[in-house]
Amino acid sequence: KQEVTQIPAALSVPEGENLVLNCSFTDSAIYNLQWFRQDPGKGLTSLLLIQSSQREQTSGRLNASLDKSSGRSTLYIAASQPGDSATYLCAVKHTNAGKSTFGDGTTLTVKP
Amino acid sequence: EAQVTQNPRYLITVTGKKLTVTCSQNMNHEYMSWYRQDPGLGLRQIYYSMNVEVTDKGDVPEGYKVSRKEKRNFPLILESPSPNQTSLYFCASSPGSAGYEQYFGPGTRLTVT
Repeated sequence: KQEVTQIPAALSVPEGENLVLNCSFTDSAIYNLQWFRQDPGKGLTSLLLIQSSQREQTSGRLNASLDKSSGRSTLYIAASQPGDSATYLCAVKHTNAGKSTFGDGTTLTVKP
Repeated sequence: EAQVTQNPRYLITVTGKKLTVTCSQNMNHEYMSWYRQDPGLGLRQIYYSMNVEVTDKGDVPEGYKVSRKEKRNFPLILESPSPNQTSLYFCASSPGSAGYEQYFGPGTRLTVT
């Protein structure tokens, strides 16, 4: 059974710092991995999607990498801002493409 | 505007009273899915649908039913809700089942007393 773990569970950094969020998964048979952002009481906003054949994806200050063989993905946030404060979730899409498994998330606080 | 909508957004009900949470998308997506989010347990998949009339169980299907009679709609039915189904529910859709981003609705907060 696929298990997805995100470390750390919570992270607090000063504004301007570069940071890395981690996501690991136990079964490397995945179609893709998607990173989301969730603000308190809100829905999920898609940040980046990495296909299983890709190594990384970039969008603005965000860069996500994928190492399928080791079962790991990282989300790099450059020059963090208070507006980046949210919970960040990763999700893997199984090769049984209907199923997705989510991590529990990392709650990020960026202090001004 | 391309979106996934859910109704109602908030619902308080009593044990055993059947309810339906609707989900609709206007993006002509083939794939739709329901999740529940609980503190300490994260997001867990309830059911998914690869296309019209094709549905399958996720990780926590017990106590739920779904149907997919039209491409745009994927209602979640709780025939006899129980307090352990109190949760935040999300509907999601994507153009296909593999290789695509999932787009999420705003969520439905359900309380069963």
